[in-house]
Amino acid sequence: QQPVQSPQAVILREGEDAVINCSSSKALYSVHWYRQKHGEAPVFLMILLKGGEQKGHEKISASFNEKKQQSSLYLTASQLSYSGTYFCGTEIQGAQKLVFGQGTRLTINP
Amino acid sequence: EAQVTQNPRYLITVTGKKLTVTCSQNMNHEYMSWYRQDPGLGLRQIYYSMNVEVTDKGDVPEGYKVSRKEKRNFPLILESPSPNQTSLYFCASSLFGDQDEQFFGPGTRLTVL
Repeated sequence: QQPVQSPQAVILREGEDAVINCSSSKALYSVHWYRQKHGEAPVFLMILLKGGEQKGHEKISASFNEKKQQSSLYLTASQLSYSGTYFCGTEIQGAQKLVFGQGTRLTINP
Repeated sequence: EAQVTQNPRYLITVTGKKLTVTCSQNMNHEYMSWYRQDPGLGLRQIYYSMNVEVTDKGDVPEGYKVSRKEKRNFPLILESPSPNQTSLYFCASSLFGDQDEQFFGPGTRLTVL
């Protein structure tokens, strides 16, 4: 069951904030976030386990809401280097398998 | 340097001509997998391997084969490629499984005419 990411694309100016959402129709055990810069391989950002844990990575943080079966990725004071496509991967409880969303393209302009 | 390598990086071929994309990792990871990336569809898993001689189908295995004879290598084989297999392919590895942090190779862009 592929998770749904929103928005599909977002364009920001440098210094603005962004939120990317990842929703599942099934109960989740974990959510993974990856970033892929244009022409490159996806790179791991963080894993969130069930329990509403919030994690941070530089000015990028994420939350995981079990009840809503969703995760949100927060990019604060975005930098040009944050441009790329962000993927969430979700592990459904009991499935032991990661399924990626369709991706959210983030463009940061000067 | 810890890395996942893939070859070739770019390949243009014709329908029906067998091809192999190689993948190698130097991190002694147990788990390796193959994904294809298509616009609007994200990353979809083709096959994965939990260890040597242990492989299993992912979400889109039709038309592909894999083997895991050595821990470090996990080649992807297209025995009779078709145009709908035109895609960007990524190999990935992790210590224990796809629930772990995965390290991706640089990608192979395949075009089947």
